Amino acid sequence: DAGITQSPRHKVTETGTPVTLRCHQTENHRYMYWYRQDPGHGLRLIHYSYGVKDTDKGEVSDGYSVSRSKTEDFLLTLESATSSQTSVYFCAIRRGQEDSPLHFGNGTRLTVT
Amino acid sequence: DAKTTQPNSMESNEEEPVHLPCNHSTISGTDYIHWYRQLPSQGPEYVIHGLTSNVNNRMASLAIAEDRKSSTLILHRATLRDAAVYYCILRWGGSNYKLTFGKGTLLTVNP
Repeated sequence: DAGITQSPRHKVTETGTPVTLRCHQTENHRYMYWYRQDPGHGLRLIHYSYGVKDTDKGEVSDGYSVSRSKTEDFLLTLESATSSQTSVYFCAIRRGQEDSPLHFGNGTRLTVT
Repeated sequence: DAKTTQPNSMESNEEEPVHLPCNHSTISGTDYIHWYRQLPSQGPEYVIHGLTSNVNNRMASLAIAEDRKSSTLILHRATLRDAAVYYCILRWGGSNYKLTFGKGTLLTVNP
């Protein structure tokens, strides 16, 4: 599983509530990513991090914020969840140098009712 | 960012080779070609990547056209466990690179 743990694995929440998803790595790598996957859209990048407190937006960042206060944890927050944020969320890490591939976690299935 | 074009779906028979094509006519000189696959209910899994030369690893081979405008992922002997969505992606962004996933090719392997 590439040393990546996503929690929770499943969550059901109501519209308007805040939600935080956690990605934890055991290997101390610099780069971490959050993607969402929806039918018909493939995987889309939400935010990524290239170090502690260093983050940047991806292609679908509206409605999401992230934080990385320590190397091993990358948190994705939905400040006020909407039904359009129902999705499967994947975290990924990148080991090593510039051309290293990404390694993905097993995903969090989020349902917003 | 440069885009890739892949067939929506392909079929293969077990034990036979599979050639998965990818077109990337707008590739730039520094773009790496990455391939990932995603099995049902799992996160994407790295398969192989290359820049200019053909590459081999334990999972697959990557054949890159001389002009780099297309590439082919080769599974030498397909198994049922190879049934997945295969993504061809151009890696852009330098050291802070991001991967943009398309819809990929759904590979069905028949017993």
